[in-house]
Amino acid sequence: DIQMTQSPSTLSASVGDRVTITCRTSQNINRWLAWYQQKPGKAPKLLIYDGSTLESGVPSRFSGSGSGTEFTLTISSLQPDDFATYYCQQYNNYSFGGGTKVDVK
Amino acid sequence: QVQLQQSGPGLVRPSETLSLNCTVPGGSLTKNYLTWIRQPPGKGLEWIGYIYSTGSTNYNPSLKSRVTISADTSKSQFSLKLNSVTAADTAVYYCAKGRVLLNVWGPGTTVTVSS
Repeated sequence: DIQMTQSPSTLSASVGDRVTITCRTSQNINRWLAWYQQKPGKAPKLLIYDGSTLESGVPSRFSGSGSGTEFTLTISSLQPDDFATYYCQQYNNYSFGGGTKVDVK
Repeated sequence: QVQLQQSGPGLVRPSETLSLNCTVPGGSLTKNYLTWIRQPPGKGLEWIGYIYSTGSTNYNPSLKSRVTISADTSKSQFSLKLNSVTAADTAVYYCAKGRVLLNVWGPGTTVTVSS
């Protein structure tokens, strides 16, 4: 089984900050990884797929990079609507990372 | 964007079977995958499994012995059954369209396992 390690588990930031979240896998998954945003009481929302492709309608301040075993989600300038929990998911056995909660500093 | 519709009981007794439905409004099941995911209270997301419109399925190995996902094409409806439930199965259960790139979700159903 592919193990997912997402870090940090919690990130405190301010509006306007550049935010980076990392997802590492125990095996090479090429670029087969997606990122989701989830707000309390809501279903997750797809942000990025295939490692770096922005889902339609997602603001361009979100970007994804990486391949192989290390991936990054970056928010270039954090906005009030971005305070949420973020999850990575790989397409091999479909497991999710543990999540990163972005809260107010 | 169209949201999937979910239905099913919110309370299930221990050792019984959890049964949930997910409907694609006005949609065809042809050439579609449907995935089930759950989220225990205060915890992260857990992939349960998916079904393709042909009926082929793929399940999380940790749940495989207890889970069945099926499709009723005449009703555009997918079903999740999880048997022999315990308190550890208490969670919000989501259905989502697709196998990967899950961009259409149901609202989630909160299921509590309790006597």
